[in-house]
Amino acid sequence: DAKTTQPPSMDCAEGRAANLPCNHSTISGNEYVYWYRQIHSQGPQYIIHGLKNNETNEMASLIITEDRKSSTLILPHATLRDTAVYYCIVRVAMDSNYQLIWGAGTKLIIKP
Amino acid sequence: EAQVTQNPRYLITVTGKKLTVTCSQNMNHEYMSWYRQDPGLGLRQIYYSMNVEVTDKGDVPEGYKVSRKEKRNFPLILESPSPNQTSLYFCASSFSETMNSPLHFGNGTRLTVT
Repeated sequence: DAKTTQPPSMDCAEGRAANLPCNHSTISGNEYVYWYRQIHSQGPQYIIHGLKNNETNEMASLIITEDRKSSTLILPHATLRDTAVYYCIVRVAMDSNYQLIWGAGTKLIIKP
Repeated sequence: EAQVTQNPRYLITVTGKKLTVTCSQNMNHEYMSWYRQDPGLGLRQIYYSMNVEVTDKGDVPEGYKVSRKEKRNFPLILESPSPNQTSLYFCASSFSETMNSPLHFGNGTRLTVT
């Protein structure tokens, strides 16, 4: 079962910051939070990941609360091409395999 | 360009006719994995490989085989496809199998078994 909870859908105006929330209240101390997005049925695209510190790259910022029970992905200036399903995922250790457990994601629609 | 390449993108076949979906990565990644994506079920792992000649089952391995004879290639083999294997398949790779190593995905193979 997915270890994350996300809203099923969100809207954001083009040019504004898109803030996508994610709850992962059962996350363990060594499990990372990953964000991916999927446009139509293309391959999932890696966005960002983090353990406990806030992270930023050329695509987005990831803010993780101090208790690590939730996080927010921030797309600073959303464009129409950012319309996609965004997945917040906790990477868990299962035997020797570090699995990504996928949930249903948030469908983000960027409006002109 | 660093990428994971799957072929073919679309495949229609009949029940029982053996097929292979190829996957190749040019990033010298050790870890490779196959997933299938079905509506309402998300991505589920089929098989994974931590290095050459090392493969293991994921969550839904029944009806599938894989091999890892070279580091860059990780083909998915369906010996006797059935209609319940109609799905969207993704290959992925990462530098290592650790928690801190992002997976990079191919563009997918849409398989229809009639």
